Amino acid sequence: QQKVQQSPESLIVPEGGMASLNCTSSDRNVDYFWWYRQHSGKSPKMLMSIFSNGEKEEGRFTVHLNKASLHTSLHIRDSQPSDSALYLCAASPANYGNEKITFGAGTKLTIKP
Amino acid sequence: EAAVTQSPRNKVTVTGGNVTLSCRQTNSHNYMYWYRQDTGHGLRLIHYSYGAGNLQIGDVPDGYKATRTTQEDFFLLLELASPSQTSLYFCASSDDWDEQYFGPGTRLTVL
Repeated sequence: QQKVQQSPESLIVPEGGMASLNCTSSDRNVDYFWWYRQHSGKSPKMLMSIFSNGEKEEGRFTVHLNKASLHTSLHIRDSQPSDSALYLCAASPANYGNEKITFGAGTKLTIKP
Repeated sequence: EAAVTQSPRNKVTVTGGNVTLSCRQTNSHNYMYWYRQDTGHGLRLIHYSYGAGNLQIGDVPDGYKATRTTQEDFFLLLELASPSQTSLYFCASSDDWDEQYFGPGTRLTVL
């Protein structure tokens, strides 16, 4: 059974600071990773996806992927109070897409003004 | 913007009761999913479907049935609800490899 581990469970970052979130899969068949963000009382929304080794940047958000270690990380620079949310990492094996997707338990990020 | 709606938004039932949760998507997506979300577990996949009449088993299917009646509509059925099924339920839709679009969620309490 695929397992996706996220760390830390919770994180407090001052406004304007850098937030770094980690995610690792224990399934060697995993190939694709997604990051979803869920604000309190709302539904999850996809933030970024990454399918290739390396780095992907979108605005203040950067995602890294190391397929050899099955590790992905999400970095948020110049953190804003609106970034406070639960961040969910998801992974799935090649050739299965969303059919075999597994979500981690999430990292609760709080940005302190 | 993709649209997924769920009803009811809140439901309270008693142990042994019957519950049906409804989901409708207007995105013309092939895939629809039912998840439950509990603190410490993230989102766990209950059932999913890749088209009308199709049903696939997810990771935590025990105690749940589901039915996809049309491209747009996907239902989750709890025929003998138990307190362990108290949870926040999300429906989602997607094309195969694309992002999933989630509905607003249904909070179910089983007393």
